[in-house]
Amino acid sequence: KAGVTQTPRYLIKTRGQQVTLSCSPISGHRSVSWYQQTPGQGLQFLFEYFSETQRNKGNFPGRFSGRQFSNSRSEMNVSTLELGDSALYLCASSLGMTGIIYEQYFGPGTRLTVT
Amino acid sequence: GEDVEQSLFLSVREGDSSVINCTYTDSSSTYLYWYKQEPGAGLQLLTYIFSNMDMKQDQRLTVLLNKKDKHLSLRIADTQTGDSAIYFCAEKGYALNFGKGTSLLVTP
Repeated sequence: KAGVTQTPRYLIKTRGQQVTLSCSPISGHRSVSWYQQTPGQGLQFLFEYFSETQRNKGNFPGRFSGRQFSNSRSEMNVSTLELGDSALYLCASSLGMTGIIYEQYFGPGTRLTVT
Repeated sequence: GEDVEQSLFLSVREGDSSVINCTYTDSSSTYLYWYKQEPGAGLQLLTYIFSNMDMKQDQRLTVLLNKKDKHLSLRIADTQTGDSAIYFCAEKGYALNFGKGTSLLVTP
């Protein structure tokens, strides 16, 4: 089974621009979560989508948004980029159903640099 | 909110055992996890333990859970240079709440 894939792997943007990152979960997984990883703050949860609906949300400003498509692929968008948005953005997928063991598998990440 | 705590750095010699410790925050967490991250890569799920267990062994990995002290540990037996990486513990709330990671350096 293929793992979680993320595109692009690297991205350089300028302050004020917007960016869209893409994530394809493991086949059969319906939940996709996004995390931001920075040296200072570590791993922070952005949001989770399940069956095209946002199920949970972390404490990030509204500039960070996401969506999920019917095939479970997900995108996240960051508008009006700031220097502090430079980070590794990790996508993780899981089956997502309650009552079963919660195993979350991560993709390789997208390294975003904002200049 | 409260932080999941881990020591930042651990150095061991090849062939020795490594023990990475973690203190988590939520006593109602149902699952506790260990992830490994190598340079330039995402997080690899190593193992997890259900909260009603005290110990779980998986090949070279042993997880110990002390619910009273909210303490979790990961023991890696016969540590190899390929085990050099950052190890994260995480507790499950509505999402995974991660520690800052322990950087493990294995020297020959």
